[in-house]
Amino acid sequence: DAGVIQSPRHEVTEMGQEVTLRCKPISGHNSLFWYRQTMMRGLELLIYFNNNVPIDDSGMPEDRFSAKMPNASFSTLKIQPSEPRDSAVYFCASSFGGGYVEAFFGQGTRLTVV
Amino acid sequence: GESVGLHLPTLSVQEGDNSIINCAYSNSASDYFIWYKQESGKGPQFIIDIRSNMDKRQGQRVTVLLNKTVKHLSLQIAATQPGDSAVYFCAGSGGGADGLTFGKGTHLIIQP
Repeated sequence: DAGVIQSPRHEVTEMGQEVTLRCKPISGHNSLFWYRQTMMRGLELLIYFNNNVPIDDSGMPEDRFSAKMPNASFSTLKIQPSEPRDSAVYFCASSFGGGYVEAFFGQGTRLTVV
Repeated sequence: GESVGLHLPTLSVQEGDNSIINCAYSNSASDYFIWYKQESGKGPQFIIDIRSNMDKRQGQRVTVLLNKTVKHLSLQIAATQPGDSAVYFCAGSGGGADGLTFGKGTHLIIQP
């Protein structure tokens, strides 16, 4: 298995633009997580899906952020409109059995909003 | 909620020595803890986990110790190698429905 695949690896966009980050979890995993990593705040859980259903989105910072999981092999995290403070590395992770087991992380998407 | 922190942002050790990375947590109800390793430019990678019904768990060259009395856990790496250079994160349960709360990380530097 290729592991968790995220795209793009790097994204530079102008403030106000819409940004869509993509994730393909490991085949067979039923849980998917989106995390954001910054120097100031470390690694933060944004949203957690189980069997394609959002279970906990309490970490989503505001309404500008939305996430979807239309099927078991694909998820998106969208920011609209983007702001400079959204600049961070966004990680997608997947696991089998929820949050309290080993999760496998993707390589991340480094987002820069100018 | 859970607050997880690390005692030192940077730890420098000699190659071949043992490393100990410490972590404190605040939520006494936390019952699951996990250590991740993150190399530069990569996503976190699972090292070892432990549940609250255990005090110690060993893996290959790594040991995690959990002291529930003082809400402290540590990661011990035996015979540190250059490839162990990375940022190490501890994370604990209690951050919401199946949500893990991550600490800020300790940067482990291996001196030749």
